[in-house]
Amino acid sequence: EPEVTQTPSHQVTQMGQEVILRCVPISNHLYFYWYRQILGQKVEFLVSFYNNEISEKSEIFDDQFSVERPDGSNFTLKIRSTKLEDSAMYFCASTREGHDTQYFGPGTRLTVL
Amino acid sequence: SQELEQSPQSLIVQEGKNLTINCTSSKTLYGLYWYKQKYGEGLIFLMMLQKGGEEKSHEKITAKLDEKKQQSSLHITASQPSHAGIYLCGADTWGTDKLIFGTGTRLQVFP
Repeated sequence: EPEVTQTPSHQVTQMGQEVILRCVPISNHLYFYWYRQILGQKVEFLVSFYNNEISEKSEIFDDQFSVERPDGSNFTLKIRSTKLEDSAMYFCASTREGHDTQYFGPGTRLTVL
Repeated sequence: SQELEQSPQSLIVQEGKNLTINCTSSKTLYGLYWYKQKYGEGLIFLMMLQKGGEEKSHEKITAKLDEKKQQSSLHITASQPSHAGIYLCGADTWGTDKLIFGTGTRLQVFP
């Protein structure tokens, strides 16, 4: 069964460094999302992406964040200058169409020291 | 803004017992999605409900959405240790397909 994959599973970085989190959505899906979950808190929406542009973003998704679909398979989240409070589990999700089931990847645990 | 409240926050049941988890929205939903998460892992899709009054079942899990599309319940019959985990309800509303999630219900099943 097709699934969303994410790499790396765990990323440790120093404050101020740039990180890129990678996702491979399900191949025939057209809508892509990033969510994050700070330890012990709710899963929070960051950004949605469709037709090579951002559809919607949350207040969390400030100028330090960017997303890209560099080729036909990958979907990336870049954090330009990481802060301690960016430490969280980051989930990628994809779906065939809007308002349909979003399938989530296993997540990347980001630790900022 | 929309909020989803889940209850209970935590549930400990003996194997074989039935249980129910509730999810209440502050606004009318477009769709309601149930996911299961094991600690530190990804979200596994369980069921989606979009019509008022809809009910779906898969194996021993049944999910219902009320007619007003503001409340959902997840019922597990004859619970097993494999049902243990964190159950999350997520929802989208008209005009946006981003999901808002509840706080989760942590389920433990002991033999």
